[in-house]
Amino acid sequence: GIQVEQSPPDLILQEGANSTLRCNFSDSVNNLQWFHQNPWGQLINLFYIPSGTKQNGRLSATTVATERYSLLYISSSQTTDSGVYFCAVARFFSSGSARQLTFGSGTQLTVLP
Amino acid sequence: DVKVTQSSRYLVKRTGEKVFLECVQDMDHENMFWYRQDPGLGLRLIYFSYDVKMKEKGDIPEGYSVSREKKERFSLILESASTNQTSMYLCASSLSAWEGRAVTDTQYFGPGTRLTVL
Repeated sequence: GIQVEQSPPDLILQEGANSTLRCNFSDSVNNLQWFHQNPWGQLINLFYIPSGTKQNGRLSATTVATERYSLLYISSSQTTDSGVYFCAVARFFSSGSARQLTFGSGTQLTVLP
Repeated sequence: DVKVTQSSRYLVKRTGEKVFLECVQDMDHENMFWYRQDPGLGLRLIYFSYDVKMKEKGDIPEGYSVSREKKERFSLILESASTNQTSMYLCASSLSAWEGRAVTDTQYFGPGTRLTVL
């Protein structure tokens, strides 16, 4: 199966700082998502980004599919950004039907006031 | 907005009990998934379903079964709960859609159920 590695495993920032989270994957993928898991356990969709670049407010993501990595950028971090950030990937079968996401182990982000 | 709801946020059961976890989505999504999340092991897929009455095993189906009688509802069943099934259970749904020549398939997650088996 596909292997997904995220780095760093832990990150502590001061409020206002910028950060970059990385996701490496071992094979070509059709689906890549970034999630934020809040302290209550809810997984919040951030980006669906199997390739290219997207931005949403202070967050942006870039996936370079040919080199098998994705980056999540957080600018001007806030305490509410704290939590675990997961990258997850999937491959479709030729029929196009959904297949399971394989999750990385996550990056635990702590933003200090 | 896509809404995925789960029947309970917290559940405490005894060993040997039959446990039902319910998941409902309101966006007419064809695909639904059950994951469990454990410290140090991450999220692992238990079962998924890509249509009513259809199901496929994920990575860790042992000790679980599922039911999908209606498109919006996907149930996870622990036939005889055991202490090693104490975990956070997360349900997700998605719609596979063609966009140009590519298929998109964004998964949306429910709030999770923390199950404790005593």
